[in-house]
Amino acid sequence: DGGITQSPKYLFRKEGQNVTLSCEQNLNHDAMYWYRQDPGQGLRLIYYSQIVNDFQKGDIAEGYSVSREKKESFPLTVTSAQKNPTAFYLCASSLSGTAPYNEQFFGPGTRLTVL
Amino acid sequence: AQSVTQPDIHITVSEGASLELRCNYSYGATPYLFWYVQSPGQGLQLLLKYFSGDTLVQGIKGFEAEFKRSQSSFNLRKPSVHWSDAAEYFCAVSMDAGGTSYGKLTFGQGTILTVHP
Repeated sequence: DGGITQSPKYLFRKEGQNVTLSCEQNLNHDAMYWYRQDPGQGLRLIYYSQIVNDFQKGDIAEGYSVSREKKESFPLTVTSAQKNPTAFYLCASSLSGTAPYNEQFFGPGTRLTVL
Repeated sequence: AQSVTQPDIHITVSEGASLELRCNYSYGATPYLFWYVQSPGQGLQLLLKYFSGDTLVQGIKGFEAEFKRSQSSFNLRKPSVHWSDAAEYFCAVSMDAGGTSYGKLTFGQGTILTVHP
């Protein structure tokens, strides 16, 4: 079955540590996205990538970094510069990043807690 | 800039009752509209979408939504709610930025639906 996988499902981090969240898709989609979800705030875009080896900052990119070396993979690193990283992180993909009618498909999410 | 408002943070209905979740958007051109559902601790699943044509669109799980340009609304409805419909619902709007520009998807803040037996 095609879909998006995220790992791990739960992640705990000590303050001052960097941590990487995994996102893999086998849908052959060009575009991939990372969102942060906090209660009552909807989804906020962190980074997006329309094609391999290219990515752009979203609305809340500070304290995060990404890479897109392979079409199917879009890992997100939460750095120690992110002041309030405890949140639910969602990865998504779409067939194209430029076509507004393409729906985004979401992974199951990773819940990050900073201890 | 485009924006989406879901006026109701939390709605409670009885099982079997009808449901309407409100969504208003702000965008100058014709919007591309979506409704997603999220079960606790899970990712989002697309319920339905509107691009053009018939303003009443049918989705999965018995949901429908109506696009009303004059009211800038895209409300989600279901005639009879089931206990399994309890979840959080998100309205989203996308824009056509043209050419190779990114068509950003903007989400509302979500409406939590509780279903009483």
